[in-house]
Amino acid sequence: AQSVAQPEDQVNVAEGNPLTVKCTYSVSGNPYLFWYVQYPNRGLQFLLKYITGDNLVKGSYGFEAEFNKSQTSFHLKKPSALVSDSALYFCAVRERSKQAGTALIFGKGTTLSVSS
Amino acid sequence: EAQVTQNPRYLITVTGKKLTVTCSQNMNHEYMSWYRQDPGLGLRQIYYSMNVEVTDKGDVPEGYKVSRKEKRNFPLILESPSPNQTSLYFCASSSGTSGGAGHSDTQYFGPGTRLTVL
Repeated sequence: AQSVAQPEDQVNVAEGNPLTVKCTYSVSGNPYLFWYVQYPNRGLQFLLKYITGDNLVKGSYGFEAEFNKSQTSFHLKKPSALVSDSALYFCAVRERSKQAGTALIFGKGTTLSVSS
Repeated sequence: EAQVTQNPRYLITVTGKKLTVTCSQNMNHEYMSWYRQDPGLGLRQIYYSMNVEVTDKGDVPEGYKVSRKEKRNFPLILESPSPNQTSLYFCASSSGTSGGAGHSDTQYFGPGTRLTVL
């Protein structure tokens, strides 16, 4: 079965410092991987996705993520955090071989708190 | 502006009173889906639709119905709401329905509907 683990409920970082939000996944085949962000009282916004090719994916708002097949990870990173990055972050996976329409499988979310 | 809209944004109701949450997208997407978000559980899919008149159950369909009579609309119906359906609901859409690249497509989410069933 497909699954996503976000091992940290909360990540705290000071403004200007690098941030990492961790995600590991489990699928029986090759994955499509996504990161979404949810700001308070807002819907989910797409940040970036990995389909194939370069393992380092760059996305919106200066975020990037690195696909590591051997570690089955897709950690979200940003070189310099902003207070405005404070939000709830979700990692999601879909197995490539699954039929279209299959749900994205979401992690439980990680709350990122950036202090000034 | 390309968007997914949901109405209402907030709803408080009582057990057993039928309700409908509407969802509409203006991107001509074939695929639409409903999720519920609960603390500590992430998002779980309720129902999805590959195109007009094509719907199927997701992971947590019990107590819900959907319909897809038009491409842009995908309402979520709770015939007899119960307190365990108190949750935050999201509608999403994407353009791909076929295998391969289609389901790597990004899903675009609505703003959410916070439902409380008393």
